[in-house]
Amino acid sequence: AQSVAQPEDQVNVAEGNPLTVKCTYSVSGNPYLFWYVQYPNRGLQFLLKYITGDNLVKGSYGFEAEFNKSQTSFHLKKPSALVSDSALYFCAVRVFNTDKLIFGTGTRLQVFP
Amino acid sequence: NAGVTQTPKFRVLKTGQSMTLLCAQDMNHEYMYWYRQDPGMGLRLIHYSVGEGTTAKGEVPDGYNVSRLKKQNFLLGLESAAPSQTSVYFCASSPDRPTDEQYFGPGTRLTVT
Repeated sequence: AQSVAQPEDQVNVAEGNPLTVKCTYSVSGNPYLFWYVQYPNRGLQFLLKYITGDNLVKGSYGFEAEFNKSQTSFHLKKPSALVSDSALYFCAVRVFNTDKLIFGTGTRLQVFP
Repeated sequence: NAGVTQTPKFRVLKTGQSMTLLCAQDMNHEYMYWYRQDPGMGLRLIHYSVGEGTTAKGEVPDGYNVSRLKKQNFLLGLESAAPSQTSVYFCASSPDRPTDEQYFGPGTRLTVT
């Protein structure tokens, strides 16, 4: 079965420190991977995606993600966290040969001043 | 350019009542989706459409129906609401390729008592 896992319900980090939000996946074929962010009482916003090519993908708001095929991971990273980065982050993977995404359960990022 | 809009934003129903949620997009996207978001479960796909006049079942379709009579609109219907359908509902749209990201509406918070 195809799936995506976000092993941490919450990640806490001090402002200015680097942050990592973890995502692992299981999918047939080449994975199409996405990160979305959700601010309180808002819809999801696209951050970045990996389709093919360079394993390090850069996205919005200074975020980047590293695709690791051998570890089937797609962790979201940022070198220096901001309080305004506090939000709910979702990893998603395209189901092979369909038009559907599978979303992880989300990771709440809390950045403390 | 309003993007993806949803009406209503909030609704309270009694068990057994029916209602329709409207999603509209002005980006000329081919694909549209309905998700529900529940705590600890991420987003789950209810139904989706790959073009005007088409619909398909997602992960959790029971108790819901959809219609896509016009390309820009995607309606989600609840024929006989149940408390288990208390959730936040999100509509999304995307162009027409598996690599395209999805654009989300602001959500509808539905409570069934």
